[in-house]
Amino acid sequence: QVQLVQSGAEVKKPGASVKVSCKASGYTFSTYDIYWVRQATGQGLEWMGWLNPNSETTGYAQKFQDRVTMTRNTSINTVYMELSSLRSDDTAVYYCARGGSTYGLSAWGQGTLVTVSS
Amino acid sequence: DIQMTQSPSSLSASVGDRVTITCRASQSIGKFFNWYQQKPGKAPKLLIYAASSLQSGVPSRFSGSGSGTDFTLTINNLQLEDFATYYCQQSYFTPWTFGQGTRVEIK
Repeated sequence: QVQLVQSGAEVKKPGASVKVSCKASGYTFSTYDIYWVRQATGQGLEWMGWLNPNSETTGYAQKFQDRVTMTRNTSINTVYMELSSLRSDDTAVYYCARGGSTYGLSAWGQGTLVTVSS
Repeated sequence: DIQMTQSPSSLSASVGDRVTITCRASQSIGKFFNWYQQKPGKAPKLLIYAASSLQSGVPSRFSGSGSGTDFTLTINNLQLEDFATYYCQQSYFTPWTFGQGTRVEIK
C-alpha cells in the first residue's frame, strides 16, 4: 500500500534550519509530485510547495520562497524539505503528501512536529 | 492568491443528520477543488477530488458538487466517525490554498 513515512520530531532554536524527510513506498516514486503542507497547533492547513521527483522541479509559495528548499534522493525514494532561518511562528506539524492538481493530495505522511524555541 | 472561504466555521449535528458545508473561491477555479477530513492528531484525508469525485475507500454518504467558485460537501446519514474538521482546497493556481476549516461537532 502507498505509504509516506516522515522523520521524527525536531526542536530547533530561532535562526536555525530544519530538514524533514519523507520516504515513499508502495508506488513508483517518480510518477507523483510530493507536496508539503504545514499546520500550526489549532490552526488550518498551509501549502508550502511541491517537488517533482522525476525532474526535481520545485515550486514554492511566495511566503517561503527565500527560506525553503525541497530536494529528493531517488535511490531511497525520499523527499526532503529544509526550512531555514526558523522563527517561533514556524512551530508546526509539517506534512508531506502525494498528489496532483487534478486528483488532490491522496496520501499523506504522519506529520513531523517542528518546535522552534529558545 | 486565491482565497477559499468556508462556511460555517463550525456546526453541531446528530448521528443520522444530513450536513452541508460550503466553500467559495475568490475566483473561478473550474473543478480543481478538493475536500479533506481531519481528525485530531491525524493527517488530513482526501474525501472528494475534482469537486465531485469520491476518493477510493470513502463512504458513499460523502458527496461533493459545484464548479467555478461555489462548492458544496454533503454528508448524508452522519456517523459517529464523521465528527471531525473538514477543509476545502483549490488546486488550480499555486499556491494551493485551503479554507479555514469547518468543525463538525456532536449535538
